[in-house]
Amino acid sequence: IAGITQAPTSQILAAGRRMTLRCTQDMRHNAMYWYRQDLGLGLRLIHYSNTAGTTGKGEVPDGYSVSRANTDDFPLTLASAVPSQTSVYFCASSEWGRRTDTQYFGPGTRLTVL
Amino acid sequence: GQQLNQSPQSMFIQEGEDVSMNCTSSSIFNTWLWYKQDPGEGPVLLIALYKAGELTSNGRLTAQFGITRKDSFLNISASIPSDVGIYFCAGLDPGRGSTLGRLYFGRGTQLTVWP
Repeated sequence: IAGITQAPTSQILAAGRRMTLRCTQDMRHNAMYWYRQDLGLGLRLIHYSNTAGTTGKGEVPDGYSVSRANTDDFPLTLASAVPSQTSVYFCASSEWGRRTDTQYFGPGTRLTVL
Repeated sequence: GQQLNQSPQSMFIQEGEDVSMNCTSSSIFNTWLWYKQDPGEGPVLLIALYKAGELTSNGRLTAQFGITRKDSFLNISASIPSDVGIYFCAGLDPGRGSTLGRLYFGRGTQLTVWP
């Protein structure tokens, strides 16, 4: 069982370029999330999806978009990357709605925007 | 966004010592979670707490869900070098109706263990 996989592991991107970070889970969780982690700021929620076909904005959604065409995949797109989007991005998933709802994280994508 | 107050920010201890860290919030949570993050990896769930007053252990780790539902602590006994990492607390607001519950994170405690 792989759990959550993310791709790429790391990427250096020129400002203004479009980039999609991929996330796939094999746990059949209904909810998925994207966080960014910056030094001194902890983990901040970018976007989420509580079920396939629906998405919502988190704490820092500007400059990012997501889609949830099926249960397993939750790609994050930067339409036109800016240096302030340099960060480590984590995808997570959970069985939302259960009393024992907990989030499980992928290994992360380290993104540098120059 | 909501922020949990996690302390201490960092700890430098000797192998064999016990460690204690805590998290407080101005809001009530129904679930408290503790994660550990190793360098270059994603956070890994250590302990989940679902009931006020609950005390749960996982090996040398013990965590408690505060009675007020606004705080939690994590203790590590007899620390070893592989305990090094960043420890995060997180509180889950379950949401209402179709609104997804949000997970709010503390800023982490950086633990260094000297052999």
